[in-house]
Amino acid sequence: DIQMTQSPPSLSASVGDRVTITCRASQTINTYLNWYQQKAGKAPNLLISATSNLQSGVPSRFSGSGSGTDFTLTITSLQPEDFATYYCQQTYVTTRTFGGGTKVEIK
Amino acid sequence: EVQLVESGGGLVQPGGSLRLSCAASGFTFSTFWMSWVRQAPGKGLEWVANINQDGSEKYYVDSLKGRFTISRDNAKNSLYLQMNSLRAEDTAVYYCARGGGNHDFWGQGTLVTVSS
Repeated sequence: DIQMTQSPPSLSASVGDRVTITCRASQTINTYLNWYQQKAGKAPNLLISATSNLQSGVPSRFSGSGSGTDFTLTITSLQPEDFATYYCQQTYVTTRTFGGGTKVEIK
Repeated sequence: EVQLVESGGGLVQPGGSLRLSCAASGFTFSTFWMSWVRQAPGKGLEWVANINQDGSEKYYVDSLKGRFTISRDNAKNSLYLQMNSLRAEDTAVYYCARGGGNHDFWGQGTLVTVSS
């Protein structure tokens, strides 16, 4: 299976901050990379597919970039509702894998 | 409105079996890949398995091969996960998700607890 490594595991930020989360694949996955947001006690929500395709209804402050093995999720101006855990997921091979998650907490 | 409703979770002893179900509505179930994803208490997401539209293709995370079986019944708009030889480390919330990889809809999850 392809291993996905996210960094940092957690971060503290303030409302209005720019936040960047990194995801690295153990082998190339082209741009087959999704990002999910999960709030406490809730199911995950798909934010971005195929590295940079924002899902319908997702605010434009979220963006994704990268290719090959290195990817980033950027939140340009953190809002109170963005405090959550974020996961990357590769869909390059049929046995999908998630990263370990990045918890975004209030500073 | 798309809805996925899991059921079948509960407390089971180590070595036991459990069958999870996911009832789908609000979309044409037979035209979508479907998946199971789990999350141990306080831990991250773990992709478990997926199945194609007619059930002819199934893929599993390596660590679970042989113990878990994914299946579906398109006539009943239902997805299943048969779990055998359960271990304490299988304790988790199990989510049903639409899609083989781009999971755009999820159920609320069903908790499976493996304990004596």
